Amino acid sequence: DAGITQSPRYKITETGRQVTLMCHQTWSHSYMFWYRQDLGHGLRLIYYSAAADITDKGEVPDGYVVSRSKTENFPLTLESATRSQTSVYFCASSEGAGEKLFFGSGTQLSVL
Amino acid sequence: RKEVEQDPGPFNVPEGATVAFNCTYSNSASQSFFWYRQDCRKEPKLLMSVYSSGNEDGRFTAQLNRASQYISLLIRDSKLSDSATYLCVAGYDTGRRALTFGSGTRLQVQP
Repeated sequence: DAGITQSPRYKITETGRQVTLMCHQTWSHSYMFWYRQDLGHGLRLIYYSAAADITDKGEVPDGYVVSRSKTENFPLTLESATRSQTSVYFCASSEGAGEKLFFGSGTQLSVL
Repeated sequence: RKEVEQDPGPFNVPEGATVAFNCTYSNSASQSFFWYRQDCRKEPKLLMSVYSSGNEDGRFTAQLNRASQYISLLIRDSKLSDSATYLCVAGYDTGRRALTFGSGTRLQVQP
């Protein structure tokens, strides 16, 4: 039961580079989410998607781009990484809005 | 004011103790509630959903008070393995704010 998987698990990059974090789920859940977690801020929603080809901004979308061409994939791209984007990124999915979330194992991203 | 507020703790309790966490939410339209557990920067995992009538799962009991807009989690007979951060979550059926997480309450169970 693969569930929801994220890759890479760890990533180090430099300021200004483009980085893509991958997220794949096998449950055919409609909703998918990207959160970042930083000390003192808890989980903050970056973007979410209600279905294939439908995406919307969360609390902290600036500097990020998402796409969802297929139900099972929801990649997150940092177009030009900044140090402030150093964080742990979690992808999650749910069957519907307001329903329980299932999280991937996270990607620890460091921007030098 | 945060939409979901929790006491960050830490709560330091001995093994076998009973401990309770409260969480308040500001959006009266919230329809779904959950408790998640998170270990040391790993992914949050669903501990239990919270129902209006209250619900129990082994040593864990969750309660919802809609009038006062708070949710509680009671852990009985604490184990060392219960040491973690507990996240309170409120949600409703519109996408952008579908689920709002509190910042978490840290529990440390001591031998």
